[in-house]
Amino acid sequence: DTEVTQTPKHLVMGMTNKKSLKCEQHMGHRAMYWYKQKAKKPPELMFVYSYEKLSINESVPSRFSPECPNSSLLNLHLHALQPEDSALYLCASSQDGLGGADTQYFGPGTRLTVL
Amino acid sequence: AQSVAQPEDQVNVAEGNPLTVKCTYSVSGNPYLFWYVQYPNRGLQFLLKYITGDNLVKGSYGFEAEFNKSQTSFHLKKPSALVSDSALYFCAVRDMWKDGANNLFFGTGTRLTVIP
Repeated sequence: DTEVTQTPKHLVMGMTNKKSLKCEQHMGHRAMYWYKQKAKKPPELMFVYSYEKLSINESVPSRFSPECPNSSLLNLHLHALQPEDSALYLCASSQDGLGGADTQYFGPGTRLTVL
Repeated sequence: AQSVAQPEDQVNVAEGNPLTVKCTYSVSGNPYLFWYVQYPNRGLQFLLKYITGDNLVKGSYGFEAEFNKSQTSFHLKKPSALVSDSALYFCAVRDMWKDGANNLFFGTGTRLTVIP
């Protein structure tokens, strides 16, 4: 089973709202990832948790805040977003995030629209 | 930094014909290369990867890819295209952030359309 689940599938929020995206995997993976994908563009990595240690893409603004409550769960907290943050947010997981052979398995994504 | 390029935004092929989706890479050291497919409004599905060893890699759904070191290419192939293969295909290479975290650097994607 290589399933990664994400909720919600769609989210519409105003610029003053606070919301969270959720991701879950039960493959025993120890690395989890958040990607942002704009329309007709490739995914770009935002955050990585490997053995619950966080790595951050320095270009990601602070209005995005990741959280990894345990090795199976990953959240992305959203606050004061801008319309340009509208995108498909993808979660992925992999065995351990170490070494080049680690395959990432993706969830179906959350389509976020910021009004 | 590692990178990949997909020179074709769009590839059209007739159903039953062989298909090729091109990818070239630029890396320092040994490349770790991946192919993913994305259907509309969906996440990415892993197809195959090259780590080391045999230059011909076989993957899911009848796809395969040929690693060519001299041409720095990793083209995706299938002997006989199906209409259901129509999707967006991404080539990716393992990159690494300064703190050692793994990053997948994706190409810009190639939209494959299989014509019935």
